[in-house]
Amino acid sequence: EPEVTQTPSHQVTQMGQEVILRCVPISNHLYFYWYRQILGQKVEFLVSFYNNEISEKSEIFDDQFSVERPDGSNFTLKIRSTKLEDSAMYFCASSRDRSSYEQYFGPGTRLTVT
Amino acid sequence: AQSVTQPDIHITVSEGASLELRCNYSYGATPYLFWYVQSPGQGLQLLLKYFSGDTLVQGIKGFEAEFKRSQSSFNLRKPSVHWSDAAEYFCAALNQAGTALIFGKGTTLSVSS
Repeated sequence: EPEVTQTPSHQVTQMGQEVILRCVPISNHLYFYWYRQILGQKVEFLVSFYNNEISEKSEIFDDQFSVERPDGSNFTLKIRSTKLEDSAMYFCASSRDRSSYEQYFGPGTRLTVT
Repeated sequence: AQSVTQPDIHITVSEGASLELRCNYSYGATPYLFWYVQSPGQGLQLLLKYFSGDTLVQGIKGFEAEFKRSQSSFNLRKPSVHWSDAAEYFCAALNQAGTALIFGKGTTLSVSS
């Protein structure tokens, strides 16, 4: 069964460093998403991406964040200058199309900023 | 603003006993509602969804959920819990634009033998 994969599973970085979180969505899916979950808090939407551009972003997704689909399979989230409060579990998701509304999630990347 | 509330942070159920996990939503129109499960080290797996029609929906792994508009609820149930059901359960609603999921804080289910 096809699944969303994410690498790495755990990333430790120092404050101020750039990190890139990687995701491989399901191959025939067209919509891609990033969510995050700070420990003990809700899963929060960050951004959605379709047709090589951001379709929606939350207020969390500020100028420190960017997303990219560098090739036909990867979908990345970059945090330019990490802060302590960026420590969280980051989930990638994909969906086949808008009408299905079913998002398939990856296992997440745990980002720890020290 | 839309929100999803899961009142129970942690629930412990005996194996073989029935389970009900609560979820309440605030939303003006007909909501699209979901239940996801997350086992340790795994991603969020979709258990079931409600879009319209029959208010009792069946999902995978023997789970079902009932949409009750009058109570703004979408509670998840299972008649007989197995030890492998121990996990974290998230209720979610699709936002009005249909572009993002709004999640509850999750309920951790422990199963005792």
